[in-house]
Amino acid sequence: GENVEQHPSTLSVQEGDSAVIKCTYSDSASNYFPWYKQELGKRPQLIIDIRSNVGEKKDQRIAVTLNKTAKHFSLHITETQPEDSAVYFCAARYSGGGADGLTFGKGTHLIIQP
Amino acid sequence: NAGVTQTPKFQVLKTGQSMTLQCAQDMNHNSMYWYRQDPGMGLRLIYYSASEGTTDKGEVPNGYNVSRLNKREFSLRLESAAPSQTSVYFCASTRGGSQTEAFFGQGTRLTVV
Repeated sequence: GENVEQHPSTLSVQEGDSAVIKCTYSDSASNYFPWYKQELGKRPQLIIDIRSNVGEKKDQRIAVTLNKTAKHFSLHITETQPEDSAVYFCAARYSGGGADGLTFGKGTHLIIQP
Repeated sequence: NAGVTQTPKFQVLKTGQSMTLQCAQDMNHNSMYWYRQDPGMGLRLIYYSASEGTTDKGEVPNGYNVSRLNKREFSLRLESAAPSQTSVYFCASTRGGSQTEAFFGQGTRLTVV
């Protein structure tokens, strides 16, 4: 099955600076890579996703890049704000072996320092 | 539009007790999932149902059973709860096929003592 590694586990940045979270995946058949934001005590919510036929996608201050050859993808948040503080999860969708569903990384706790 | 609704939100069980976590979605989604979330472990797939009438094991199915009652509802049952099953459980749904965005319920915090 798929295996997703996420780094770093904790990231502290000054308000206004950029934050980058990186993930690698193992299954070359994976073709969908979402990023979820989870605030304390809340459900995960999709913030951006990318498919394997695209190298980069942007949505205002958030961007995701995908390198299929190296099997890694990254989340970039620019001009960070206090409300960006949360745990971020990357995920990959695998479709082999009759299984379905997302495989998640272990999460990155992003702390925005005022 | 409620999206994905889980019940209960909190539950405390004694070791050996059984219980069923309920999940319902009103988005006419085909696929439904149960995940557990443990500190530092991310979300791990327990079981999923690609469509009404089908269920399959995920990464951590031991100690759990599921039922896809109809297109809307997907329940998770713990037959004999163990302390290792203390976790936050999330139900999710997707339209299925190439439509892969997952919508999550609000979670059930389960403690087994």
